Formats: sequence, structure tokens, C-alpha cells
Amino acid sequence: NAGVTQTPKFRVLKTGQSMTLLCAQDMNHEYMYWYRQDPGMGLRLIHYSVGEGTTAKGEVPDGYNVSRLKKQNFLLGLESAAPSQTSVYFCASSSGTAGDTEAFFGQGTRLTVV
Amino acid sequence: GQQVMQIPQYQHVQEGEDFTTYCNSSTTLSNIQWYKQRPGGHPVFLIQLVKSGEVKKQKRLTFQFGEAKKNSSLHITATQTTDVGTYFCAGRIDSWGKFQFGAGTQVVVTP
Repeated sequence: NAGVTQTPKFRVLKTGQSMTLLCAQDMNHEYMYWYRQDPGMGLRLIHYSVGEGTTAKGEVPDGYNVSRLKKQNFLLGLESAAPSQTSVYFCASSSGTAGDTEAFFGQGTRLTVV
Repeated sequence: GQQVMQIPQYQHVQEGEDFTTYCNSSTTLSNIQWYKQRPGGHPVFLIQLVKSGEVKKQKRLTFQFGEAKKNSSLHITATQTTDVGTYFCAGRIDSWGKFQFGAGTQVVVTP
């Protein structure tokens, strides 16, 4: 049972480049989330999804897009990377009523934009 | 602005000592979760508190939810080196169930 798997684990981008982060979960969870983690800021929600085909904005959505075409996958896209998007990105998933259960996190993607 | 605040941001503890980290919200929370993140790792769920005044224990960890459901605390007794990491609280702030994370308390333990 792999849980939540993120791809890639590390990436260096040049300013203006685009990329997609992939999150896959094998727990049949309805809810999926993308967070970014910066020193002293905790985890901030970028986008989330309450089910296949649905997405919604979180606290810090600007500069990111997401898609949830399949229940098990949640993709995070950066269309034109900026140095301010240098961060560690975590994907998470949860099940249960209104997300009121524990969130399972992936191992994280460390992204550097130069 | 951030509605869920955690203090202290940093805690240096001698092995064997007790310490407490606090989580405060500007609004009433439906429930609160606590996570632990080891250095270089990912957040791992510890516990969820739902009821006003609820207290839960996990071995040396004691979690409390305030009567007004605006604050919570995590108390660790007889700290061990395995307790090293950052402890986050996450409060449920809206009807859907989104959780807002605090900035975390980074715990360093010296032998």
C-alpha cells in the first residue's frame, strides 16, 4: 500500500518555465489537497478537490492550476514559474465526511526556481 | 491573514523535561488536528479533537481542546530525542472542512 505518492521529488526550474507535479493516492479518498510549505509559514493550502472532476481555490492559488480528471490523481501545474514559487510542495488526501478525518501526506516535492 | 496561530515557534528542550505548545484561533473551530513532521519528512497525523474541553492522551503526549473551541494545546512529558520535529495544529475553519495550519512549533531536544 503506497499511500500518497508525489512525482518528482526534486526539481529545479528556470523563471518562466512550466511544470506539472503529480500526486497519486491508492486509498480511494475523495478529498485531495495541494499545500506549499515555506519556513515560518506552516502549510498553506493552494488548491483542493472534493471529488473527481472538481477543484477549488485555497489560500494561495495565484500562479497555480490544478486538475482532477481521475479520482486517484491530482495534478498541480505551474504555467510560468517565478522565484517566489520556490518551496516544498505537499499533496495530501483524506476521506470521510467533509474531510473530517486525518490527512495522509506525500513525501513532498522540493522545487527551486532560479 | 492567518487565523490559526501557534506559539512558541521554536522550543529547545532538555531531554527528560516537559513542554507545551499552544494553538490559538481568532474564530471558533469545529475541530482541530495535530500533526508531527520530522526533519526532512512529511506531516504525519497525530490526533483529532472535536468536543469542547476534550482531552486525549497518547503515551507521553496530552492534547487538549479549549472550552470555547478557540485554542488547543499539546503537552509532552519526559521529552525524548524521538520527539524532535515540528508540531503543527490544523483547525477546521469552514463548513466544508478545510483545515488551516498553524506555522508550527519546531522542537529541538538536547541529550
